[in-house]
Amino acid sequence: GESVGLHLPTLSVQEGDNSIINCAYSNSASDYFIWYKQESGKGPQFIIDIRSNMDKRQGQRVTVLLNKTVKHLSLQIAATQPGDSAVYFCAENYSGNTPLVFGKGTRLSVIA
Amino acid sequence: GAGVSQSPSNKVTEKGKDVELRCDPISGHTALYWYRQSLGQGLEFLIYFQGNSAPDKSGLPSDRFSAERTGGSVSTLTIQRTQQEDSAVYLCASTTGGYNTGELFFGEGSRLTVL
Repeated sequence: GESVGLHLPTLSVQEGDNSIINCAYSNSASDYFIWYKQESGKGPQFIIDIRSNMDKRQGQRVTVLLNKTVKHLSLQIAATQPGDSAVYFCAENYSGNTPLVFGKGTRLSVIA
Repeated sequence: GAGVSQSPSNKVTEKGKDVELRCDPISGHTALYWYRQSLGQGLEFLIYFQGNSAPDKSGLPSDRFSAERTGGSVSTLTIQRTQQEDSAVYLCASTTGGYNTGELFFGEGSRLTVL
């Protein structure tokens, strides 16, 4: 069954606003988490990752937050742009001995 | 090529026919993965190759599914006696590391439709 899930299947935001995409995981042994972006008709593209010894990691316009206490992962996108419109997947891995497990995804729509 | 290449991009077949899907990984990438994505769903792991061997085949849904990799490069996913529930996008990804290397480089997928 799914050990990685999502709080919201769809999210609409105004251009320029910040977006927050949430993800819950159920396996407390998971120690590596990744966010992927999938545009229509394309394969998923790596955005950012975080290991369980961290609770925050920043990239370019993106920040991933990890709350191990409640097994929650979020992706924050600053100043959301039309090009950010896509489906976002979180994925988890435990102990480096298993393949990535992907959640079902959240569709982000940016309103111009 | 610069990225992972998959062919065919689209395949329509009749129930009961066999299909082969091909993946050309990024040159030098030792690890290769096959995932399946059904409409509106997340990615379902099928099989993992490290070099030419497949240490993890745990995601293959039935014995109708098989995959091979030759020369540490090209991989072929074969589905025998296709069923309608096999309809999905089959995604291939490659990377230089193992399971805990999250930056998988995905191809654009092969969309399979079984009538």
